Amino acid sequence: KAGVTQTPRYLIKTRGQQVTLSCSPISGHRSVSWYQQTPGQGLQFLFEYFSETQRNKGNFPGRFSGRQFSNSRSEMNVSTLELGDSALYLCASSVGLAGGNEQFFGPGTRLTVL
Amino acid sequence: SQQGEEDPQALSIQEGENATMNCSYKTSINNLQWYRQNSGRGLVHLILIRSNEREKHSGRLRVTLDTSKKSSSLLITASRAADTASYFCATDSNYQLIWGAGTKLIIKP
Repeated sequence: KAGVTQTPRYLIKTRGQQVTLSCSPISGHRSVSWYQQTPGQGLQFLFEYFSETQRNKGNFPGRFSGRQFSNSRSEMNVSTLELGDSALYLCASSVGLAGGNEQFFGPGTRLTVL
Repeated sequence: SQQGEEDPQALSIQEGENATMNCSYKTSINNLQWYRQNSGRGLVHLILIRSNEREKHSGRLRVTLDTSKKSSSLLITASRAADTASYFCATDSNYQLIWGAGTKLIIKP
């Protein structure tokens, strides 16, 4: 089985722009979770989608949004980028909800905001 | 905010020794998971232990869970250079995974 893929792997944007990141889960996995990882804050949960519905949301501003398509692929969008949004964005997929199942992580998208 | 807190923040041991790291959390949980992250393989799931379980093994890994103390420990026996990584616990409360800041483990040759 192919693993979780994320595109793009690297991205450089300027403040005020918006960005869309994509995640393709492992075939058969219905849950996709998104995380932000920074050296100072560690791994922070953004949101989880299951069968196209957002099931959980972390403590992030409304500039961070996401969606899941019928084929379980997911996108997250960050609008009005700020310098503090520079981070590694990780996507993970699981068969069921993330809390009770093993998650498989993608390699991440490294976002740099200038 | 993070519910899981790993201890110690960093650990350096000789190859072949055992490594123990701990995770404490604040509220009741359904499950607790341990993950490893290194530059080569990214974030990888190690073990999931449910709240009604006290101990689980996987190869050289042993995880214990004490719900009365709201803590878990991860023991890696006979450590190898490839075990050098950051180790994270993630607790499941209300079906949301909350992650600790991690323990950085360095295995010296």
